[in-house]
Amino acid sequence: KNEVEQSPQNLTAQEGEFITINCSYSVGISALHWLQQHPGGGIVSLFMLSSGKKKHGRLIATINIQEKHSSLHITASHPRDSAVYICAVSAGSNYKLTFGKGTLLTVNP
Amino acid sequence: GAGVSQSPSNKVTEKGKDVELRCDPISGHTALYWYRQSLGQGLEFLIYFQGNSAPDKSGLPSDRFSAERTGGSVSTLTIQRTQQEDSAVYLCASSFSPANTEAFFGQGTRLTVV
Repeated sequence: KNEVEQSPQNLTAQEGEFITINCSYSVGISALHWLQQHPGGGIVSLFMLSSGKKKHGRLIATINIQEKHSSLHITASHPRDSAVYICAVSAGSNYKLTFGKGTLLTVNP
Repeated sequence: GAGVSQSPSNKVTEKGKDVELRCDPISGHTALYWYRQSLGQGLEFLIYFQGNSAPDKSGLPSDRFSAERTGGSVSTLTIQRTQQEDSAVYLCASSFSPANTEAFFGQGTRLTVV
């Protein structure tokens, strides 16, 4: 069983919809990362969080340490949000990221 | 430079040949990481550098893989006697300090072994 589980694996939405991607992990962590990867593109770090909630533009990330769960929300989704969203965790002083398998988001106009 | 730079962006090589992949991290970033993204496998950690030393090489899949970093800056990942299963996108990332600081990723090198 992968230490980091994401759901859903694939998500199709209409422009303007509110999007939620979930991430659950089974190990103790010190930080959780949300990454974005466009087709054929590199990876962009969206958020790094260890508690609470962070917001950047239309993106919101939350984490519940007790429940070992994080969510990434996209408000007013747009076709340019179409990408793979990857959850990754680091544990203790461990700099190594353990990755989920990613969620492929497609936003249709 | 402004971001993490990797070269080449694409590399096609014949089975059995050696390849070198280069990563130029963001200036001032002391930590450098190599990851691999294989088709259908997701991302996996390969090796981590702090300065010029590699405290953790545990992700290197075999002794055909090696990496070095010189001057606390550029890193080279070398794959000897390439095999078809080495085909993947190799990603480099760097950060100011190792533990739990935001990492910045390069665009990756897509390696195809034929």
